Amino acid sequence: KNQVEQSPQSLIILEGKNCTLQCNYTVSPFSNLRWYKQDTGRGPVSLTIMTFSENTKSNGRYTATLDADTKQSSLHITASQLSDSASYICVVSDRGSTLGRLYFGRGTQLTVWP
Amino acid sequence: EADIYQTPRYLVIGTGKKITLECSQTMGHDKMYWYQQDPGMELHLIHYSYGVNSTEKGDLSSESTVSRIRTEHFPLTLESARPSHTSQYLCASSPRTERNTIYFGEGSWLTVV
Repeated sequence: KNQVEQSPQSLIILEGKNCTLQCNYTVSPFSNLRWYKQDTGRGPVSLTIMTFSENTKSNGRYTATLDADTKQSSLHITASQLSDSASYICVVSDRGSTLGRLYFGRGTQLTVWP
Repeated sequence: EADIYQTPRYLVIGTGKKITLECSQTMGHDKMYWYQQDPGMELHLIHYSYGVNSTEKGDLSSESTVSRIRTEHFPLTLESARPSHTSQYLCASSPRTERNTIYFGEGSWLTVV
């Protein structure tokens, strides 16, 4: 069964600190992996997309890593800001269909305190 | 910023009422989707469309229906709302050329009392 598991479920950090969110998946055949940020009451917004051949990708203070061998990804947030408080969702897609099936994790709820 | 719009953003209705959640995108995307998301839970695909006159049911069984008469418009309808339909509904779209790139709307929060 294709699954996407994220950890931790929730995380509280102080403003200015760094944090790392984890995503493990069993989706096969793998196509790509995305990290989305979802603010409370809003729709998800894409942060990064990584394909099989990419190990690291950065978007400002966000850095995603991918290990396709162990089927693990991480999202590292540097120098956190209050606006980083949100749910971070890992989404993995397969390449077994024209639609490109998407598998969603439950997200990690990050809270940044001043 | 994605040009995909959902209305209403928030809706409280009584049991048995018929409601339509509107979704429009101005990007010319062929594929459109409806997801359902309960608080703290993952998104579940309930409907999708490859293009005009194409609609398919997703992974999660839903009593809602959809239509795709125009490329830019993908409304979702509940003929008789029930409290179990209370949830957030997210509309999304993706272009044919960018595999697995999905742009989400802001969501519609539905509460059935």
